[in-house]
Amino acid sequence: QKEVEQDPGPLSVPEGAIVSLNCTYSNSAFQYFMWYRQYSRKGPELLMYTYSSGNKEDGRFTAQVDKSSKYISLFIRDSQPSDSATYLCAMRGAAGNNRKLIWGLGTSLAVNP
Amino acid sequence: DTGVSQDPRHKITKRGQNVTFRCDPISEHNRLYWYRQTLGQGPEFLTYFQNEAQLEKSRLLSDRFSAERPKGSFSTLEIQRTEQGDSAMYLCASSLGVDGVNTEAFFGQGTRLTVV
Repeated sequence: QKEVEQDPGPLSVPEGAIVSLNCTYSNSAFQYFMWYRQYSRKGPELLMYTYSSGNKEDGRFTAQVDKSSKYISLFIRDSQPSDSATYLCAMRGAAGNNRKLIWGLGTSLAVNP
Repeated sequence: DTGVSQDPRHKITKRGQNVTFRCDPISEHNRLYWYRQTLGQGPEFLTYFQNEAQLEKSRLLSDRFSAERPKGSFSTLEIQRTEQGDSAMYLCASSLGVDGVNTEAFFGQGTRLTVV
């Protein structure tokens, strides 16, 4: 079993839809959870960064972490064609343990005008 | 531009040749990472520096691969005797690690290597 599981999609939604992306993980030591957005042929761009459980909101983006279920989500409200990209979840343990980010495969999202 | 900078953006090389990539991290960041990414996959960790010290290397980093960060600022990744399987996007990231706390990593645009 991979440490981080993420459905690669592709996911196709109409403009304005609410998008739900998620990852599951198996390592209970993970405490820092990130979502990166990657456009084609570009490097990953940090979108959301969350420590431990809870919600974090930034504009149209909301990140949720449920450590009890080992499940994280990214919601995109009022999706736009410019949101079309691959969304990667990444996570790691606390400082002093695992400094390496463990990545999901990425979910490919297409928002259609 | 104060982000992570990588050079070159694209590199096409013949099998068997050596290539070298450069990464300039965000200036105050003391940690620097190299990753490799192939199509449809997430980034795979290759190696990690704290200042000039290379603290960890992945098993993926064969003896044909070497990375340096001589002055704790920019870093180079060299691949010797390239093989077609080395074709990938090579990503550099940097972060600030202070007093045992590591901030989030910021990535460069990557160097896309094609071995023909």
